[in-house]
Amino acid sequence: GESVGLHLPTLSVQEGDNSIINCAYSNSASDYFIWYKQESGKGPQFIIDIRSNMDKRQGQRVTVLLNKTVKHLSLQIAATQPGDSAVYFCAETRPGTYKYIFGTGTRLKVLA
Amino acid sequence: EAQVTQNPRYLITVTGKKLTVTCSQNMNHEYMSWYRQDPGLGLRQIYYSMNVEVTDKGDVPEGYKVSRKEKRNFPLILESPSPNQTSLYFCASSLMVGSGELFFGEGSRLTVL
Repeated sequence: GESVGLHLPTLSVQEGDNSIINCAYSNSASDYFIWYKQESGKGPQFIIDIRSNMDKRQGQRVTVLLNKTVKHLSLQIAATQPGDSAVYFCAETRPGTYKYIFGTGTRLKVLA
Repeated sequence: EAQVTQNPRYLITVTGKKLTVTCSQNMNHEYMSWYRQDPGLGLRQIYYSMNVEVTDKGDVPEGYKVSRKEKRNFPLILESPSPNQTSLYFCASSLMVGSGELFFGEGSRLTVL
């Protein structure tokens, strides 16, 4: 498969446990954040997003938490499954710019 | 089905031989962008386009060109490819920056010998 990140931090979790993946973002003016999942050999897939006027947003089995004070974003995956194994990365945008800024990602490994 | 389509998915070429990677989206998105992904470096933006005939450089534009003559298409052109352009390339689109999800294509693996 593709090696999208040979030196990525890795999080190993037991199947069924909860996973927490963290991201520190770069600019306090950023107002929109997205979490992506990238499986080997595929393009990034949208998981969940959050705007800066919110602290928490929930989806199906996933929750994103935003702490603007320390510029920190986290993705929580409940009851982690083997299909969740992938590289996860965050993206941010800020008003008045035309760019998405991406983190380098975390590799999630789900242990059977 | 909403999608971003890139072609080719895989290409091996030689130094100096011009090539084009096509990108098409069917969502009537205004914003389109090209990224390259290299191990340990994450996604780096090459060029982006805010709308038809409006393009601008990203963080790593050297050696690349783009055009946006139609809203749905945003080809990436390598006029004279070099080995340091060996990479995994992604095209992406969104309605507007910060307005919602950035949709990605499946990627184009380019090897320049």
